[in-house]
Amino acid sequence: ETGVTQTPRHLVMGMTNKKSLKCEQHLGHNAMYWYKQSAKKPLELMFVYNFKEQTENNSVPSRFSPECPNSSHLFLHLHTLQPEDSALYLCASSQDEASPYNEQFFGPGTRLTVL
Amino acid sequence: GQNIDQPTEMTATEGAIVQINCTYQTSGFNGLFWYQQHAGEAPTFLSYNVLDGLEEKGRFSSFLSRSKGYSYLLLKELQMKDSASYLCAVRDSNYQLIWGAGTKLIIKP
Repeated sequence: ETGVTQTPRHLVMGMTNKKSLKCEQHLGHNAMYWYKQSAKKPLELMFVYNFKEQTENNSVPSRFSPECPNSSHLFLHLHTLQPEDSALYLCASSQDEASPYNEQFFGPGTRLTVL
Repeated sequence: GQNIDQPTEMTATEGAIVQINCTYQTSGFNGLFWYQQHAGEAPTFLSYNVLDGLEEKGRFSSFLSRSKGYSYLLLKELQMKDSASYLCAVRDSNYQLIWGAGTKLIIKP
């Protein structure tokens, strides 16, 4: 496979469930990102990992927990979510967070619905 | 605060030209990106501007004026497949991307 892949593509969960989203990039990049995309709103940056170290946590509630075991994989662990957390969750990667021309490559996203 | 403004929705005719504007107020500036996102798909990179002026890439061009905090994406010879959302994003002084809400472009035959 090439590019950035995400699984699952669709997820429906109850507020008491625990689930995980997975992202994998095959581009040899060193930075990975989690974004939340809600209808008609700007992309919201949630977390950034650069060389496996978390460099950004944009005041995200603790019910979202990221994990980056290596520079190719990124997880988002979910527990006790709220209905307002329903959104498209996008993963992206780039060569290096601080490089001047830092094009981000996105995965297809996970459409999450919280009941 | 930081802000990116772009129209919510635009409609254009197949074969025509459309200009999508983006204005920004950010803490510092380290480049402006345009991405295309088809419904249900990932955003894909279109263009990057860091200096003033026009960058042309096939049917798509992007313009930047840093003094005015303004950019536009120009799409020529519109095709039905150009129906998508177009996202403007600015990298601020901390190298964080600040995103606009996107402009949904509808192409009519």
